[in-house]
Amino acid sequence: RKEVEQDPGPFNVPEGATVAFNCTYSNSASQSFFWYRQDCRKEPKLLMSVYSSGNEDGRFTAQLNRASQYISLLIRDSKLSDSATYLCVVTGPWNQGGKLIFGQGTELSVKP
Amino acid sequence: DVKVTQSSRYLVKRTGEKVFLECVQDMDHENMFWYRQDPGLGLRLIYFSYDVKMKEKGDIPEGYSVSREKKERFSLILESASTNQTSMYLCASRTLDRGYQPQHFGDGTRLSIL
Repeated sequence: RKEVEQDPGPFNVPEGATVAFNCTYSNSASQSFFWYRQDCRKEPKLLMSVYSSGNEDGRFTAQLNRASQYISLLIRDSKLSDSATYLCVVTGPWNQGGKLIFGQGTELSVKP
Repeated sequence: DVKVTQSSRYLVKRTGEKVFLECVQDMDHENMFWYRQDPGLGLRLIYFSYDVKMKEKGDIPEGYSVSREKKERFSLILESASTNQTSMYLCASRTLDRGYQPQHFGDGTRLSIL
């Protein structure tokens, strides 16, 4: 089992749609959680951190369920510019040096 | 804003050459990382460093070495380049203040080994 697993893509949605990405992680001692966005042939960029109480940044909402070891990202009113690959990222426990573990990514394509 | 700078965006080298990839960050971050990214394989950690003069192997260290003589600079070295090391290489850094913070990435180096 992979340490971080994401929904397989690609997701093809029309503009204005709401889309949800799911991610599960295997190590219950994981410390921190993030969503990154990566555009084609570019470096990953931090989209948002994910907090236990859930957090929102404009059209983006992230949720964390530690009991189920599950993270989600919801994008409302999707724009053409949201087209990218979304990476779920988990920080391992202290005794593993807190390495970041990346999911394979889920590709999103927003169509007019 | 955090700035992570990689020395080259594109690099072409020959098999057997010794290749140096340089990474500099300007935020006094303790941790620095080198990854490679290949289609279908995602990001894979090569080496990382907790602080100056410290280094730890990641998941795929074979064929690579690193150097961290100064806090702001983390170098990746391909001792004898091979064609299977053609890839996108990404450097990242993060602070350890207030727990584990997200990493910030450089623009990446697309390395081709001929």
